[in-house]
Amino acid sequence: SQQGEEDPQALSIQEGENATMNCSYKTSINNLQWYRQNSGRGLVHLILIRSNEREKHSGRLRVTLDTSKKSSSLLITASRAADTASYFCATNQWTSGSRLTFGEGTQLTVNP
Amino acid sequence: GAVVSQHPSWVICKSGTSVKIECRSLDFQATTMFWYRQFPKQSLMLMATSNEGSKATYEQGVEKDKFLINHASLTLSTLTVTSAHPEDSSFYICSASIDSVPNSPLHFGNGTRLTVT
Repeated sequence: SQQGEEDPQALSIQEGENATMNCSYKTSINNLQWYRQNSGRGLVHLILIRSNEREKHSGRLRVTLDTSKKSSSLLITASRAADTASYFCATNQWTSGSRLTFGEGTQLTVNP
Repeated sequence: GAVVSQHPSWVICKSGTSVKIECRSLDFQATTMFWYRQFPKQSLMLMATSNEGSKATYEQGVEKDKFLINHASLTLSTLTVTSAHPEDSSFYICSASIDSVPNSPLHFGNGTRLTVT
């Protein structure tokens, strides 16, 4: 079963705007990861944030983690049409090896 | 680096036949691989964890006799959908973690679209 919930389920913005997606989870984690999926394709890893980290940046991506609220957010700045995809958060627990539990995902559409 | 190749990318088969899907790590060793199923506009549902040299660990509700997993080498896991039925039609995706890098992200294949007629 999926332990993560993401909101919004769908987000439509204009090119150049920022997109923020949120993820909540239920159990203690080792790390939280964000993945991107283009339609009909596999997932591509974007960023990993460890449980003792609060914020991480990678290019136009900014991820925050609040373990007290069991939540994370992914911010994509200056969005582009090519950012259109589904975005999933996934949690890794200390006792589960490399096994991930995925959230429900956010479908992002960036309009040119 | 860290490429996972999944084959075939799509397959159409008749009801009652079996279909094998391969998942290969091309440039790294993967003791552990994962198989997922994804329905349209939904998240990934973990079906099983494939362990090299031992039996796969199936998630609750997944029929192990229907979804046979073989992980015979450190670079290859296969998922065989036996006696396929139309309700097995779905998008199947595999992923692998790099043995030599603990707590590293997963690397995914591009998925296999299975259609059972």
